[in-house]
Amino acid sequence: DQQVKQNSPSLSVQEGRISILNCDYTNSMFDYFLWYKKYPAEGPTFLISISSIKDKNEDGRFTVFLNKSAKHLSLHIVPSQPGDSAVYFCAALSSGSARQLTFGSGTQLTVLP
Amino acid sequence: ETGVTQTPRHLVMGMTNKKSLKCEQHLGHNAMYWYKQSAKKPLELMFVYNFKEQTENNSVPSRFSPECPNSSHLFLHLHTLQPEDSALYLCASSPTGTSGGNEQFFGPGTRLTVL
Repeated sequence: DQQVKQNSPSLSVQEGRISILNCDYTNSMFDYFLWYKKYPAEGPTFLISISSIKDKNEDGRFTVFLNKSAKHLSLHIVPSQPGDSAVYFCAALSSGSARQLTFGSGTQLTVLP
Repeated sequence: ETGVTQTPRHLVMGMTNKKSLKCEQHLGHNAMYWYKQSAKKPLELMFVYNFKEQTENNSVPSRFSPECPNSSHLFLHLHTLQPEDSALYLCASSPTGTSGGNEQFFGPGTRLTVL
């Protein structure tokens, strides 16, 4: 059973508009969340993260929101640019000694010019 | 070279072949990871090495054999693979496998096809 779920396999957005990528998790032991971006033929690259003690983290055009009660996080990209077109993975770290990343299945974002 | 490098980038092998994937990190990290990414599936953690010691083996079949001779190098030895093992194999590193909140840095992956 997947502990980190990205229910939208794809998303298309017009350039300049906001992109919202969603992620749900089931494990209450997760205490740190990360977003990775992946271009074809490249490995995932770290984008932004958030600790479970916060509900928002912003870095330039990227903002991650965390709703712990709903076990939901989202990544907002505004304004979206064609270069943002990539697969976005949500990942979570669990508290405790074995801090391994659990990934979602990814969302393909396409930003249309 | 900087970051995490993986060789080869593409590999085609028969089910009776033996091959090895290589990963090298130039970041001074102490933890290294092997992941498998199949089409439309989440990245699956295979193995974790922390300070050259294997700390995690996520029920990976014995036809996959990891080796970590030092903190900078990680190998994945492959033998008698099955066609369903065809996937993208990603290597990653992080400063340590147990510290909180640190992200992992990924290599570009090896695209493996088993015929």
